[in-house]
Amino acid sequence: RKEVEQDPGPFNVPEGATVAFNCTYSNSASQSFFWYRQDCRKEPKLLMSVYSSGNEDGRFTAQLNRASQYISLLIRDSKLSDSATYLCVVLSIGGKLIFGQGTELSVKP
Amino acid sequence: DADVTQTPRNRITKTGKRIMLECSQTKGHDRMYWYRQDPGLGLRLIYYSFDVKDINKGEISDGYSVSRQAQAKFSLSLESAIPNQTALYFCATASADTQYFGPGTRLTVL
Repeated sequence: RKEVEQDPGPFNVPEGATVAFNCTYSNSASQSFFWYRQDCRKEPKLLMSVYSSGNEDGRFTAQLNRASQYISLLIRDSKLSDSATYLCVVLSIGGKLIFGQGTELSVKP
Repeated sequence: DADVTQTPRNRITKTGKRIMLECSQTKGHDRMYWYRQDPGLGLRLIYYSFDVKDINKGEISDGYSVSRQAQAKFSLSLESAIPNQTALYFCATASADTQYFGPGTRLTVL
C-alpha cells in the first residue's frame, strides 16, 4: 500500500463548478500535511498547508481528519487557471515529504 | 533570479554514460532533496541532505549517488545511466515544513 494515495483523475469540470479531491495516508504518526499544485512540466508549488481545524484560502478549503487518516481539498467557483495537477503531501517522521501521485484537474469553459 | 536552479534543464544521453545533475540555491536552507517524477508515480525521493555532512538515502537511491559540496550545492550523479532512469528530476530545498523546488531536469537515457 502506498503511503499517500490519491485518485489520479482526471477530473473534468466546467468553469464555476465546485470540485473536491481526497487523499488518504497510511502512517498515523505523520505530522504535517500539505497540498501542492503542479502545472504541466513545471515544478510543484505549495498551495496550502492543512490544519486539523480546517483552513480556507479564498476559493480553496483544506480539511484534515486524523482519525480516518484523510485529507481533502475543496475548490469552489473553479477557474480555467485552476487546471493543474494537485499533489497531496505528508511530512513523515524524519523530515521527509511523501507525495501522492497527484490528481489532475481540467476546468473547461 | 530563481532561488533554486538546476542544470542542465534537458539532457539526452546513452546507456552506460555517467551523468551529473547540479542544483544550487540562494535561499540559505540547510535541507536539500533530489526527487524523480514519472507519469502515474508522483515524486519519489532519491536522496536528501540536512546539512553539508549529512547524506541520506531516499526510497529509490539505487543507481544514484550525491554530493553536497556546500550548503548551496547538491549534485546528483548517475554513474552508469540506464533507460529506466529516464524521468523528470527535481531538486528542492526546505525551510521548516515548506519545500521549494527547482525547475526540473528532463533526462532521457537512450
